[in-house]
Amino acid sequence: DAGITQSPRHKVTETGTPVTLRCHQTENHRYMYWYRQDPGHGLRLIHYSYGVKDTDKGEVSDGYSVSRSKTEDFLLTLESATSSQTSVYFCAISEKQENYGYTFGSGTRLTVV
Amino acid sequence: SQQGEEDPQALSIQEGENATMNCSYKTSINNLQWYRQNSGRGLVHLILIRSNEREKHSGRLRVTLDTSKKSSSLLITASRAADTASYFCATGLYNFNKFYFGSGTKLNVKP
Repeated sequence: DAGITQSPRHKVTETGTPVTLRCHQTENHRYMYWYRQDPGHGLRLIHYSYGVKDTDKGEVSDGYSVSRSKTEDFLLTLESATSSQTSVYFCAISEKQENYGYTFGSGTRLTVV
Repeated sequence: SQQGEEDPQALSIQEGENATMNCSYKTSINNLQWYRQNSGRGLVHLILIRSNEREKHSGRLRVTLDTSKKSSSLLITASRAADTASYFCATGLYNFNKFYFGSGTKLNVKP
C-alpha cells in the first residue's frame, strides 16, 4: 500500500522468544495504529500512537509493547511470544481521523509455534 | 465494547444484483466508516459518514446512518465479481482517534 510498509510480511517464531514488527510510513501522518486480525474477532486494536513517543493502549494490549522514536516508524514488540499471538497484524496510519479513514499496510502474518 | 457488528456474516449474490450489509454499534459515535478487504490483503477505506449525516454516496456505494437506532447500512449497486471481498464497518469517537471494527460481512459475487 502506498506510503506504508510493514516488515516482515511473514514470520514464524518459537514460543517464548521476543518478536518485533515494524511499520514504516512516508506520509508524515501523526497517528499510527497496530491491529490484529483473527477469525471471528475482526480487527482489534493493540496500541496506537498520536505522536513521537506518545502511545496508548488499545483493547488487547497485554503481552505487547510499542515504541515510536520518530514519526515514520512504529514498532510492535511481543515481549515473549505465545501461541495465542499467532495472528495477522496490520498497521494503519491516519492524519485527521474525523475527516479521513485509515490507510492500512499489507499485514504481517505471524505464527508462534 | 464499542465494537460495530456487521450483518449478515456472509452474503452470496449474482453479478448485477444489489448487496446490502448492515452494521450495528453500541455507543454514541462521531463517525462511521466502511472498509473493504480482499483476501490476504490490507483493508481499503471506502467511505466515511459523520454522525450528523444520514446518507452518503460514492460511485456505486450508498451508506446510510441512523444514530437513533445505532445502525448503518452499506449498499453496493449493480455488483460485480470484483466486489467479492469482506466488508467491515468501523466506529469511532473523535476525541480518542481510534476506531473499533466489527467481524465483517463476507460478500461473494458470482459471475
